[in-house]
Amino acid sequence: LAKTTQPISMDSYEGQEVNITCSHNNIATNDYITWYQQFPSQGPRFIIQGYKTKVTNEVASLFIPADRKSSTLSLPRVSLSDTAVYYCLVGEENQGGKLIFGQGTELSVKP
Amino acid sequence: ETGVTQTPRHLVMGMTNKKSLKCEQHLGHNAMYWYKQSAKKPLELMFVYNFKEQTENNSVPSRFSPECPNSSHLFLHLHTLQPEDSALYLCASSDGTFGNQPQHFGDGTRLSIL
Repeated sequence: LAKTTQPISMDSYEGQEVNITCSHNNIATNDYITWYQQFPSQGPRFIIQGYKTKVTNEVASLFIPADRKSSTLSLPRVSLSDTAVYYCLVGEENQGGKLIFGQGTELSVKP
Repeated sequence: ETGVTQTPRHLVMGMTNKKSLKCEQHLGHNAMYWYKQSAKKPLELMFVYNFKEQTENNSVPSRFSPECPNSSHLFLHLHTLQPEDSALYLCASSDGTFGNQPQHFGDGTRLSIL
């Protein structure tokens, strides 16, 4: 299972675009990249998943360069309610459901 | 509402007590999981069940005993716990155990051991 590295914390202000980058230098050919969001005293919530290039949904965008050794979660126009911990996970299809969570990035959005 | 319900939300117990945590998913998934999240630490996978069969035990002490009577319900039976077992216990489900299937988490049971 590929190891991921993210910034421990980030600060932002309401209305700004936030980009959180995750490094995964040892990503394997069959690995997907998945991001989860966790609020205090709640379980993580799936945000977005991708394999290559760009993926966009109603919540966020995920940018993956051609070498796939990193990925960037982009949150457009954040609000106070986006204050949470964001986890980047990398894993292959046949890993038996084993998600390995790192420390994540604690995002603090200020007014 | 995530489709995964955990009860109770909070539990305080002594080290000699026996209690059980319950998880129920309404998503039609066939895989269920238990995770432990201690303060300021990443989530740790404890157990994986796929079609009611345990497929992963991540070296969890025997004082934690999981039970999966059907694909919708998952229990974690607790006995003779230690203070270091105080944590948030999270249940999750997914449509199979393939790595690219998103896991849906409940909001956890906050367990405190006296």
